[in-house]
Amino acid sequence: AQSVAQPEDQVNVAEGNPLTVKCTYSVSGNPYLFWYVQYPNRGLQFLLKYITGDNLVKGSYGFEAEFNKSQTSFPLKKPSALVSDSALYFCAVRDRETSYDKVIFGPGTSLSVIP
Amino acid sequence: EAQVTQNPRYLITVTGKKLTVTCSQNMNHEYMSWYRQDPGLGLRQIYYSMNVEVTDKGDVPEGYKVSRKEKRNFPLILESPSPNQTSLYFCASSLFVWAHEQYFGPGTRLTVT
Repeated sequence: AQSVAQPEDQVNVAEGNPLTVKCTYSVSGNPYLFWYVQYPNRGLQFLLKYITGDNLVKGSYGFEAEFNKSQTSFPLKKPSALVSDSALYFCAVRDRETSYDKVIFGPGTSLSVIP
Repeated sequence: EAQVTQNPRYLITVTGKKLTVTCSQNMNHEYMSWYRQDPGLGLRQIYYSMNVEVTDKGDVPEGYKVSRKEKRNFPLILESPSPNQTSLYFCASSLFVWAHEQYFGPGTRLTVT
């Protein structure tokens, strides 16, 4: 069965410092991996995805993520955090072979960037 | 503007009173889905549709119905709402089901008393 874990409910980081939001996944086959962001009172917005190819993917607003197959991880990173990055972040996985029609979301990680 | 719209945005209702939350997308997307968001649980998929007249259950389908008569619309129906269906609901769509990201609506906050 597919699953996604985001082990941190809350991440606090000072403005200007690098940030990392952790994500690990479990699928039977090979994954499609996604990161979404949710600002208060808004729907989710797509940030980036890993489909195939280069393990390092770059997305919107300066975010990037690195697919690590051996560790089954896909952490979201940004070199220098902004106060405006404060939001709820969701990692999601789709198993491209066994249940490609379903997407499983993690529980979310709340990021607070402190001025 | 490419978007997913949901109505209503907020709804307070009583147990047992049938309701429908509408969802519409203007991007000609094949795939549409409904999620509910609850604190600590993230998003859980209720139903999804791969195309017109094709729907299937997600992880938490009990108490919900859907239909996909037109490509652009995917309404969520609660025939007899109960308090445990109080939640934040999101509709989403994507071009196809495969490797494509989803576009989300603004959400519908439902309270069932």
